[in-house]
Amino acid sequence: DGGITQSPKYLFRKEGQNVTLSCEQNLNHDAMYWYRQDPGQGLRLIYYSQIVNDFQKGDIAEGYSVSREKKESFPLTVTSAQKNPTAFYLCASAEQGPGANVLTFGAGSRLTVL
Amino acid sequence: GQNIDQPTEMTATEGAIVQINCTYQTSGFNGLFWYQQHAGEAPTFLSYNVLDGLEEKGRFSSFLSRSKGYSYLLLKELQMKDSASYLCAVRDGYNTNAGKSTFGDGTTLTVKP
Repeated sequence: DGGITQSPKYLFRKEGQNVTLSCEQNLNHDAMYWYRQDPGQGLRLIYYSQIVNDFQKGDIAEGYSVSREKKESFPLTVTSAQKNPTAFYLCASAEQGPGANVLTFGAGSRLTVL
Repeated sequence: GQNIDQPTEMTATEGAIVQINCTYQTSGFNGLFWYQQHAGEAPTFLSYNVLDGLEEKGRFSSFLSRSKGYSYLLLKELQMKDSASYLCAVRDGYNTNAGKSTFGDGTTLTVKP
């Protein structure tokens, strides 16, 4: 079955450490996205990529980095520069071009800073 | 930029009808989406509007007025499993932000017996 796989599901990090969240999709979607969700809030866009080897900053990119070396993969690194990284991280993908291009989400990664 | 407003919480009774409103102010518009999110889970797609009017899909309907920057999600014959957060999202128009969706904070719906 096609879908998006995020790992790990739960991650604990000490302050000052970088961590990388994995996102892999087999839907053949061109566009991929990373969102952050805090309790009781909506999704805020961190980074997005519409084509391999290219990505754009979202609304809250500071303290995060991404790469898009393959169409299927869009890993997110939470760096030590991110001051409040504890959150639920959601990866999504979508087709490009005319039409609805609905976002398909992974199951999420919950990051806790100790 | 985008600004999206929706009520924080709503409560309704099983079997009833509930309407969740969403207003938006955007620098570009290329579609409005509603997603459902159960606690601790990923959002799932419910409906999409790009032209004015009503889109119906089973117990769920969504309405859009682009001139008013307004949408609503209508849920009929409410079931306990409809208790969830409902997220309104607007996608940017055809510019450098093409394909970028901005989400509201979500409306938490509680369905009571």
